[in-house]
Amino acid sequence: EAGVTQFPSHSVIEKGQTVTLRCDPISGHDNLYWYRRVMGKEIKFLLHFVKESKQDESGMPNNRFLAERTGGTYSTLKVQPAELEDSGVYFCASSSQNTAKNIQYFGAGTRLSVL
Amino acid sequence: AQKITQTQPGMFVQEKEAVTLDCTYDTSDPSYGLFWYKQPSSGEMIFLIYQGSYDQQNATEGRYSLNFQKARKSANLVISASQLGDSAMYFCAMREVNTGTASKLTFGTGTRLQVTL
Repeated sequence: EAGVTQFPSHSVIEKGQTVTLRCDPISGHDNLYWYRRVMGKEIKFLLHFVKESKQDESGMPNNRFLAERTGGTYSTLKVQPAELEDSGVYFCASSSQNTAKNIQYFGAGTRLSVL
Repeated sequence: AQKITQTQPGMFVQEKEAVTLDCTYDTSDPSYGLFWYKQPSSGEMIFLIYQGSYDQQNATEGRYSLNFQKARKSANLVISASQLGDSAMYFCAMREVNTGTASKLTFGTGTRLQVTL
């Protein structure tokens, strides 16, 4: 069974440009999460989808960030326009709706560098 | 607000020895879950072990065990018989259940473990 996959693994863009990150969750997982780790800081929650609906987007930093999950499968996170402080590693995780422990399984992340 | 504290930015352990990575947490929710993840240099976050707040026994998964002391609000990870492949970053995380079992994780800043020969 394939794990959570994220694309690209690394993206280098200039300030003001647009970048789109993609996440493919584990097949059958209804829950999809985005997290971000800025250099040296803790991993912070951005938002949570249940199928195609946004369940919790309390961690989204501002309206330059747009997340979508059309059809309830893969998700994209677009940053437009990118700023220097957006640099960091963006993680995606998914979990099944049907377990009490609800383990979140993570991808390898996308390292975003905004110059 | 929930908070996770990992006070050890870096740890060294000799191969085949046991090591304890510290994690303390703060929450007002009586029902919560505690998690440990490993992040090797490849970048992927690997789930290691889970402890529920109402679990009577400490969780164990192979060489990993969780020393859960509820009154002290600590959930230390114990790795027995360390191997070179255990060298990685380790994150402690918590989920409060009052917002749903599928709710977000709160992470600590991590501990970098280096296993030496």
